[in-house]
Amino acid sequence: ETGVTQTPRHLVMGMTNKKSLKCEQHLGHNAMYWYKQSAKKPLELMFVYNFKEQTENNSVPSRFSPECPNSSHLFLHLHTLQPEDSALYLCASSLGLAGGGNEQFFGPGTRLTVL
Amino acid sequence: AQSVTQLDSQVPVFEEAPVELRCNYSSSVSVYLFWYVQYPNQGLQLLLKYLSGSTLVKGINGFEAEFNKSQTSFHLRKPSVHISDTAEYFCAVSDPGTDKLIFGTGTRLQVFP
Repeated sequence: ETGVTQTPRHLVMGMTNKKSLKCEQHLGHNAMYWYKQSAKKPLELMFVYNFKEQTENNSVPSRFSPECPNSSHLFLHLHTLQPEDSALYLCASSLGLAGGGNEQFFGPGTRLTVL
Repeated sequence: AQSVTQLDSQVPVFEEAPVELRCNYSSSVSVYLFWYVQYPNQGLQLLLKYLSGSTLVKGINGFEAEFNKSQTSFHLRKPSVHISDTAEYFCAVSDPGTDKLIFGTGTRLQVFP
């Protein structure tokens, strides 16, 4: 595998279910990101991890719980979601080194539908 | 806080015609600017970026963009589009020192034969 991979690609869940999204990057990057992409809205940055430490949480509801066990893996644990949480969830990674301006590499996303 | 405006939500164009996708950003201080493309059922892919130096930036697939500080713009251009350029295009901005991006709402480019 190369680049950034995400599993599953599609997920349908009920509001009482618990599920997890997985992201893996094979690029040796130090920063990882979760985004939510809904129709007709800008990409919403949800969480940022640098060197496994969470550096940003953009007021995301607690029903979304991220986990970053190492620099290569990022999870998004989901529980008691609402129908409005249906969206494409994108994972990305970047070098994350001082100076910034580095390209973010995106995975193909997980299409989530909450019934 | 930084913000990015992409005024055109959709741009229809015929094949081999030129196209310009507009992007304006809010900050008056130094910024990094990016254009990403998203093909159907895929993640985003970097087209080009401006960090410093020459204001005309060339990217992949024949695209280029010009940084205009006085107008706080970073418009994307291509002199002759192909059917395969049909996709969603996102402009993004970041502050120097970080990789964090603020995205615009996107412009859907539709190329007709």
